[in-house]
Amino acid sequence: GNSVTQMEGPVTLSEEAFLTINCTYTATGYPSLFWYVQYPGEGLQLLLKATKADDKGSNKGFEATYRKETTSFHLEKGSVQVSDSAVYFCALPGEAAGNKLTFGGGTRVLVKP
Amino acid sequence: DGGITQSPKYLFRKEGQNVTLSCEQNLNHDAMYWYRQDPGQGLRLIYYSQIVNDFQKGDIAEGYSVSREKKESFPLTVTSAQKNPTAFYLCASSTGEGFENEQFFGPGTRLTVL
Repeated sequence: GNSVTQMEGPVTLSEEAFLTINCTYTATGYPSLFWYVQYPGEGLQLLLKATKADDKGSNKGFEATYRKETTSFHLEKGSVQVSDSAVYFCALPGEAAGNKLTFGGGTRVLVKP
Repeated sequence: DGGITQSPKYLFRKEGQNVTLSCEQNLNHDAMYWYRQDPGQGLRLIYYSQIVNDFQKGDIAEGYSVSREKKESFPLTVTSAQKNPTAFYLCASSTGEGFENEQFFGPGTRLTVL
């Protein structure tokens, strides 16, 4: 079935540093790919998505490109802020009906001033 | 404003007691979901419902039950049969049409068994 693997955290970096969180997937066909973010004590919210190969999703300075050749959807941000401290989840739909999402294990990011 | 509400935010339960977590949405979404999140881990699907009066088990349904009598509501009951219920519970909804659609999440309920 469809699955996603993302790098384990925690990732600790200084403000204005470059952030990359790796995500690779296994899927039937070419499903949409998602990045969700969870700020401390809150539920998840959609950060960005890409619906087809070579699409680039972007939001709040974050970007991720749908790479079918490498089956990857890495999340990047050029200059992080303290407010970016959160847990980031890569996700894709399951192959069965119901719009179920399969999530990666999450990557905790801590940005220090 | 449209969204998903979960109550209560924090819930404490004694061992052997059933407890029900509330989830309400006013987004007019057909599909609703319950996830469990344990510290440092990803989300695991407990139950989901694509339409009123219908629901399916997810990956970890044992010890849980749900109902979907109204489109807006999808309560989750954590029964005494759930051996390790302490966790963060998240409810979500989506339009349920195809695989392209975003899921919207509530703020979560943190359940602690004393």
